[in-house]
Amino acid sequence: AQSVTQLGSHVSVSEGALVLLRCNYSSSVPPYLFWYVQYPNQGLQLLLKYTSAATLVKGINGFEAEFKKSETSFHLTKPSAHMSDAAEYFCAASGGGADGLTFGKGTHLIIQP
Amino acid sequence: GAGVSQSPSNKVTEKGKDVELRCDPISGHTALYWYRQSLGQGLEFLIYFQGNSAPDKSGLPSDRFSAERTGGSVSTLTIQRTQQEDSAVYLCASSLMAGVSYEQYFGPGTRLTVT
Repeated sequence: AQSVTQLGSHVSVSEGALVLLRCNYSSSVPPYLFWYVQYPNQGLQLLLKYTSAATLVKGINGFEAEFKKSETSFHLTKPSAHMSDAAEYFCAASGGGADGLTFGKGTHLIIQP
Repeated sequence: GAGVSQSPSNKVTEKGKDVELRCDPISGHTALYWYRQSLGQGLEFLIYFQGNSAPDKSGLPSDRFSAERTGGSVSTLTIQRTQQEDSAVYLCASSLMAGVSYEQYFGPGTRLTVT
């Protein structure tokens, strides 16, 4: 069974600063990994996904994430934060089957002007 | 094109009443997923359909929860004898087919409040 841990329920960064949102997974086999973003009163939108191809994955809105098997991590980064990045971010995993995703608890990203 | 739609957007019900939540997937998507988002539990996967079939119902929280999908399109999630712990946002997602190769597109959710 998969489990996903997101460190930090709230992360605050200044506009223009580096964004780093942490995600660790627990699995007996490398899973498929995803990052989703949720804006207030909206559904989740896929930012990027890792499916065992390149370990550095580039997504939308300037975000990227690196899969590190040795650290069982899939942290999300963006070099320069923008005010519009303020949202809830969810890391998720799948074992590769056809069932649903296992989500972390989420990290609320706050951008300080 | 149209995305995943859910209705109602908000539902307030009294404890003990039954509720039905509806999901309209993206046209042509054969897979449909239900999730629950609550403060205490975060985002939980409930059930998925491939076509009209739900292979595994073990993710449903209790036997008060049921889901069906007809015509390979609209799905309803029914909660009988609602309890306060059922209060949550219920999210629906659809994808072209079931499986991680296919992106899940999420609807805006139905916020259920049980008083």
